[in-house]
Amino acid sequence: EAQVTQNPRYLITVTGKKLTVTCSQNMNHEYMSWYRQDPGLGLRQIYYSMNVEVTDKGDVPEGYKVSRKEKRNFPLILESPSPNQTSLYFCASSAQFVHTEAFFGQGTRLTVV
Amino acid sequence: KQEVTQIPAALSVPEGENLVLNCSFTDSAIYNLQWFRQDPGKGLTSLLLIQSSQREQTSGRLNASLDKSSGRSTLYIAASQPGDSATYLCAVTHTGTASKLTFGTGTRLQVTL
Repeated sequence: EAQVTQNPRYLITVTGKKLTVTCSQNMNHEYMSWYRQDPGLGLRQIYYSMNVEVTDKGDVPEGYKVSRKEKRNFPLILESPSPNQTSLYFCASSAQFVHTEAFFGQGTRLTVV
Repeated sequence: KQEVTQIPAALSVPEGENLVLNCSFTDSAIYNLQWFRQDPGKGLTSLLLIQSSQREQTSGRLNASLDKSSGRSTLYIAASQPGDSATYLCAVTHTGTASKLTFGTGTRLQVTL
């Protein structure tokens, strides 16, 4: 089954404790990205990757890091999480940069206390 | 800056009714528009993708139209069912910022028995 898989689905952590949210897709897609969803603000892009070893900032990259060492994986790293990073996070992938359908993971609900 | 608006924010209809969800965007320079549904605690599911050169797309009971020049799209749901209850999001890929989807804030639909 074609899918984007995120782990973990739910996470509660403390301020400053480094964490990684994993994202993997099995569709051989070139393009992957991360979004966060907050009430009243909608979905906003954090980072994106056009292909292996090619990443760039989205609208709200502060406090986040990403890497794309393999085509299928695009982890989101929070080196020192803060309470304002409490949010619902989504990973997405698509076959190409534009003109193709975007597929989203199930989401990761992160709470930073 | 591209802005996407969805009206109404919430809608409740009895089962069996046909309904229309609206999406408007401020800049007509788009590659495509995509409709998603989001269920509580779940990810985004892609419903329909309309390229900028297309006028409409259909999938089962769903029909999405696109009027790029006026900056509008509608999602028509025929013979609504309780299982259609969800939040519906539209998103555009703008030609100037093709790296991301710009989302509307969604319409929360409830279909009652």
